[in-house]
Amino acid sequence: DGGITQSPKYLFRKEGQNVTLSCEQNLNHDAMYWYRQDPGQGLRLIYYSQIVNDFQKGDIAEGYSVSREKKESFPLTVTSAQKNPTAFYLCASSNPQAVQGVETQYFGPGTRLLVL
Amino acid sequence: AQSVAQPEDQVNVAEGNPLTVKCTYSVSGNPYLFWYVQYPNRGLQFLLKYITGDNLVKGSYGFEAEFNKSQTSFHLKKPSALVSDSALYFCAAQTPRTGANNLFFGTGTRLTVIP
Repeated sequence: DGGITQSPKYLFRKEGQNVTLSCEQNLNHDAMYWYRQDPGQGLRLIYYSQIVNDFQKGDIAEGYSVSREKKESFPLTVTSAQKNPTAFYLCASSNPQAVQGVETQYFGPGTRLLVL
Repeated sequence: AQSVAQPEDQVNVAEGNPLTVKCTYSVSGNPYLFWYVQYPNRGLQFLLKYITGDNLVKGSYGFEAEFNKSQTSFHLKKPSALVSDSALYFCAAQTPRTGANNLFFGTGTRLTVIP
């Protein structure tokens, strides 16, 4: 988990509330990602950002929003439009290798979001 | 559609025995292949990757993986399992950067090493 921090570890959301999950990296990576993990479904990509001030929707972006104002930070907001937000959220970052363009993603420790 | 399959949800092995966690992929081109491990309530830890060259890749904690192009497989192996290896293992395949989502994960295999 080194180099990528996520906070809080646990987060509780009330109905109709927006909540923001923090992700910070000190690896000087250009790209950052948000995944959602549900039991038996593996990881699904929510949003990703290849560079500051730019981000792209992943496979399940509805009900989520992100920003990338700084290279080291990529916060995720779970909006009230996300009707089933209970899940484990993982942030990752990567940098393309100069040769062959391989990008190994490194993950943070995760945030578990629960709905009250 | 691009996909990665881990055909076994659960693998049980006795401590000291060899272990294998299976992975096959259906991804265009020549993808890069990865294995990650996840312990309870933790993020994913990178174990190893295959880019090109030798079909047997060695990684962290004594794990290795064998790439087989004809079978489009990338099975994770360890000669002698430890109880501490018990965790959730994910295989992933990455296509060369296209500006879109290019890393595809399997659904995970839970490994239990029995003392």
